[in-house]
Amino acid sequence: QKEVEQDPGPLSVPEGAIVSLNCTYSNSAFQYFMWYRQYSRKGPELLMYTYSSGNKEDGRFTAQVDKSSKYISLFIRDSQPSDSATYLCAIGGNNDMRFGAGTRLTVKP
Amino acid sequence: NAGVTQTPKFQVLKTGQSMTLQCAQDMNHEYMSWYRQDPGMGLRLIHYSVGAGITDQGEVPNGYNVSRSTTEDFPLRLLSAAPSQTSVYFCASSPGRWAYGYTFGSGTRLTVV
Repeated sequence: QKEVEQDPGPLSVPEGAIVSLNCTYSNSAFQYFMWYRQYSRKGPELLMYTYSSGNKEDGRFTAQVDKSSKYISLFIRDSQPSDSATYLCAIGGNNDMRFGAGTRLTVKP
Repeated sequence: NAGVTQTPKFQVLKTGQSMTLQCAQDMNHEYMSWYRQDPGMGLRLIHYSVGAGITDQGEVPNGYNVSRSTTEDFPLRLLSAAPSQTSVYFCASSPGRWAYGYTFGSGTRLTVV
């Protein structure tokens, strides 16, 4: 079992839809949780960072962490074609950090 | 502010050749690292450095060497290229190894034939 599991998709939604992206992890020692966005042929860029259970909101993006279930989510409201990218989760703690394989998202106009 | 700069952007090597991938950052970050990204595998850590003169191995270090003589630069050397090293390589930096988001470069797309 991989330490971090992420559905690779691809996921295709119409413009304006709410998008839900998810990761599960196996190591309960992981303490901080990040989401990166990666456009085609570019490097990942940090989108959201949180280290506690619950929700963190930033504009149209909400990161949700459920440590008891070892499950994290990224919600995108009012999705735009410019949100089309691959989204990577990164989970760390206990001197380790692991990336998910990424979910490829397409938002159609 | 350039952030993390990687060169070259693309490279084709023949099996057995050696080369150096360059990485430079201008944010005075202590931590720098190299990842490779392969389809379905996610980002895997090759080598990392927590400061000038200090390097260590990551998850997949075989076939690669690094050095860190300055805070700004962290080159990755492929000693004898193999087709299994065909990948996209990313350099990343951050103020520290843990509990910080990373700033990534734009990547080097390497093909070994």
